[in-house]
Amino acid sequence: DIQMTQSPSTLSASVGDRVTITCRASQSINIWLAWYQQKPGKAPKLLIYKASSLESGVPSRFSGSGSGTEFTLTISSLQPDDFATYYCQQYDSYSGTFGQGTKVEIK
Amino acid sequence: EVQLVESGGGLVKPGGSLRLSCAASGLTLSSHNMNWVRQAPGKGLEWVSSISSSSSYINYADSVKGRFTISRDNAKNSLYLQMNSLRAEDTAVYYCARGASPTQIKPNDYWGQGTLVTVSS
Repeated sequence: DIQMTQSPSTLSASVGDRVTITCRASQSINIWLAWYQQKPGKAPKLLIYKASSLESGVPSRFSGSGSGTEFTLTISSLQPDDFATYYCQQYDSYSGTFGQGTKVEIK
Repeated sequence: EVQLVESGGGLVKPGGSLRLSCAASGLTLSSHNMNWVRQAPGKGLEWVSSISSSSSYINYADSVKGRFTISRDNAKNSLYLQMNSLRAEDTAVYYCARGASPTQIKPNDYWGQGTLVTVSS
């Protein structure tokens, strides 16, 4: 089974900061990686799919990159609405392992 | 507007059974692969099971294999998860979500609000 490892687990940042979250796969997953944002008590929200494709309606300050085993999610200028937990997920049509999550907190 | 609405959660004793439902509106489930994803209290997301649009392919996480059964009724536009031999570690919010496929390249772009399953004596 493919394992997904995110880092860091927690990140403290200020409004306006550039934030980068890393996700590593235990074996190559090509570009089949998604990123989600989750706020307390809510369902996750898809941000990025196919490693770098921005979901419709998601602000352009979010971007994804990478392929193979190493991926990043970047928020170019952190906004108050962005404080949340972020998950990566490797996926195909019939499975999908999540990373353990990265909580972005207010510094 | 697409809506996925889960139901059927509740309190059940260890070893018991529960059947979750996911009803769709604004989306024809028969055209899509579907997933169940769960989240234990205070923990991360865990993929549970996937089913193809025609039910011809089904997959489960090792943690639920042999105990959970995913199914769908395309005529009722609904998805189900039959959960047997429940354990305390199955306690979680269970979400249904639209899955990816060769013609639907976005994974989990629509989610329900979740239904809480609590396994406790």
